[in-house]
Amino acid sequence: EVQLVESGGGLVQPGRSLKLSCVASGFTFSNYGMNWIRQAPGKGLEWVAYISSGSSYIYYAETVKGRFTISRDNAKNTLYLQMTSLRSEDTALYYCAIHNSGYWGQGVMVTVSS
Amino acid sequence: DIQMTQSPSVLSASVGDRVTLNCKASQNINKYLNWYQQKLGEAPKLLIYNTNNLQTGIPSRFSGSGSGTDYTLTISSLQPEDVATYFCFQHNSWPLTFGSGTKLEIK
Repeated sequence: EVQLVESGGGLVQPGRSLKLSCVASGFTFSNYGMNWIRQAPGKGLEWVAYISSGSSYIYYAETVKGRFTISRDNAKNTLYLQMTSLRSEDTALYYCAIHNSGYWGQGVMVTVSS
Repeated sequence: DIQMTQSPSVLSASVGDRVTLNCKASQNINKYLNWYQQKLGEAPKLLIYNTNNLQTGIPSRFSGSGSGTDYTLTISSLQPEDVATYFCFQHNSWPLTFGSGTKLEIK
């Protein structure tokens, strides 16, 4: 069974950093591109970042480019999102998802507030 | 960036109705269009991928169509469990983009 489990969220002050993790199981992680997608409270979905299976291709939404870094460790079956210079508008539920699939995690909440 | 515009933003219909949700892209997305259903408090669920392919396990009352810039999700006979918000999503080009959603309610 495919499982994606996010962690690392929490309450953080504006301007600070946070690193999210997504541990994958039930499939060959190293064969698939991965995405981070977020949803602000009561709002729609926003794609955040993509990383290809071998990390050769990486893309970001303009809203996070230069502040967020997506990475992965295929040996650990883990996807990461390093978030720096956090802003209140980054407050959201962050999902990891297998690219072009129906598999999403349950999400991890990030709240940016003083 | 490709903008995805969904209409209507809210749709109220009766059980058994045929329901149509619309999604318009700001440029041709070559049928690289997915539909997601999100119920309150849950992660989104993939219903349709690449315009008209039904995801495994999704009831056959859901179907998708379209081409170019215009796409449609149809529910042939609305059921109470279909109450949710529906999002379209283009994966033709970067950055990937979602529509703002259609909230589907039961009359």
